[in-house]
Amino acid sequence: DAMVIQNPRYQVTQFGKPVTLSCSQTLNHNVMYWYQQKSSQAPKLLFHYYDKDFNNEADTPDNFQSRRPNTSFCFLDIRSPGLGDAAMYLCATSRELAGAYEQYFGPGTRLTVT
Amino acid sequence: AQRVTQPEKLLSVFKGAPVELKCNYSYSGSPELFWYVQYSRQRLQLLLRHISRESIKGFTADLNKGETSFHLKKPFAQEEDSAMYYCALWGFQKLVFGTGTRLLVSP
Repeated sequence: DAMVIQNPRYQVTQFGKPVTLSCSQTLNHNVMYWYQQKSSQAPKLLFHYYDKDFNNEADTPDNFQSRRPNTSFCFLDIRSPGLGDAAMYLCATSRELAGAYEQYFGPGTRLTVT
Repeated sequence: AQRVTQPEKLLSVFKGAPVELKCNYSYSGSPELFWYVQYSRQRLQLLLRHISRESIKGFTADLNKGETSFHLKKPFAQEEDSAMYYCALWGFQKLVFGTGTRLLVSP
């Protein structure tokens, strides 16, 4: 009964070749987040959606885009992956955009760039 | 900007020993602080939050605004506590994580 599902779990892409990571949720939460976590580093927020409203973090590179076609699904698109984009990408959801609401994480997608 | 610092990358203790995982923060407003945990091959999940003032799996954490700390404590560690622990702060509409501390509890 996984609540936040990420596909694929492992993704290998070539330098410069666009790649899309997928996240889906069964919780019907309003907010969906994408985090990037590099080795031995903290998860870092890239952006979030509150319903259809997109909020990009100021330091998220333009190379990273996101789409949320409906409540359940959210995609992370990396237009031209560089070697520095190799990381674990975590999707999370919460009922509302407030600290009082727990974030539920998916298992992550590990991206390798060759 | 908010910042969370976890000074220890690894904390290794024996079963039954007390555990304290350190977390310090900087934030201009009134902080909401959390501990998240990731067990081996499992997803990141909430362990506890300071506003609840609860004990989960024997762990407690007290917010000390004077010292800007939110250390996680357990009086008697168990082997099943071995995991990666992340301190996190909610501020400016986002969760900011520390770099994490790996707790290893040996028999």
